[in-house]
Amino acid sequence: IAGITQAPTSQILAAGRRMTLRCTQDMRHNAMYWYRQDLGLGLRLIHYSNTAGTTGKGEVPDGYSVSRANTDDFPLTLASAVPSQTSVYFCASSEEAGVHEQFFGPGTRLTVL
Amino acid sequence: GQNIDQPTEMTATEGAIVQINCTYQTSGFNGLFWYQQHAGEAPTFLSYNVLDGLEEKGRFSSFLSRSKGYSYLLLKELQMKDSASYLCAELDSNYQLIWGAGTKLIIKP
Repeated sequence: IAGITQAPTSQILAAGRRMTLRCTQDMRHNAMYWYRQDLGLGLRLIHYSNTAGTTGKGEVPDGYSVSRANTDDFPLTLASAVPSQTSVYFCASSEEAGVHEQFFGPGTRLTVL
Repeated sequence: GQNIDQPTEMTATEGAIVQINCTYQTSGFNGLFWYQQHAGEAPTFLSYNVLDGLEEKGRFSSFLSRSKGYSYLLLKELQMKDSASYLCAELDSNYQLIWGAGTKLIIKP
């Protein structure tokens, strides 16, 4: 693979179910991010990781958790999905945190019913 | 607070020039990014400005005025493929991006 990938592409989920969105990059980037994008709103940061082994909360972290066990993978987990988590989720990475271009994955379209 | 403002939608004609404005209000400013996002796709990087002035990159240019909290993206010789949303994002004091809602640019022949 080259770049950053996400899985699944789309998912319909019943409320209350647990779901993990996967994100993998092969660019050896230190920083990774999870955003959600909703119509009429800008991208909103959910969680981030500046380097493997560390994570931080973004603007809208409630209901989501992340882990960064290694450089390449940054999964996002919804412990108990709610309809307000219906959104398009983008994973991104950058060489380092801060003043660096972010590369985005193709996105996961999640619908919670 | 931190607030990124940009127009919701703009229309322009193929071959023309269009300027998309972005204003921001924040302390701890660390730079301004522009990204392009085609419908149903991921955002892709266009430009980064941290100093005042104009940065030119082919048909696209980006301008920054830190004193005015203002940036614009200038697209010249518009092509149909430029139809997309253009996202303005400020790098804040925590070195995280704060995103505007995006400007949808419609190009007409």
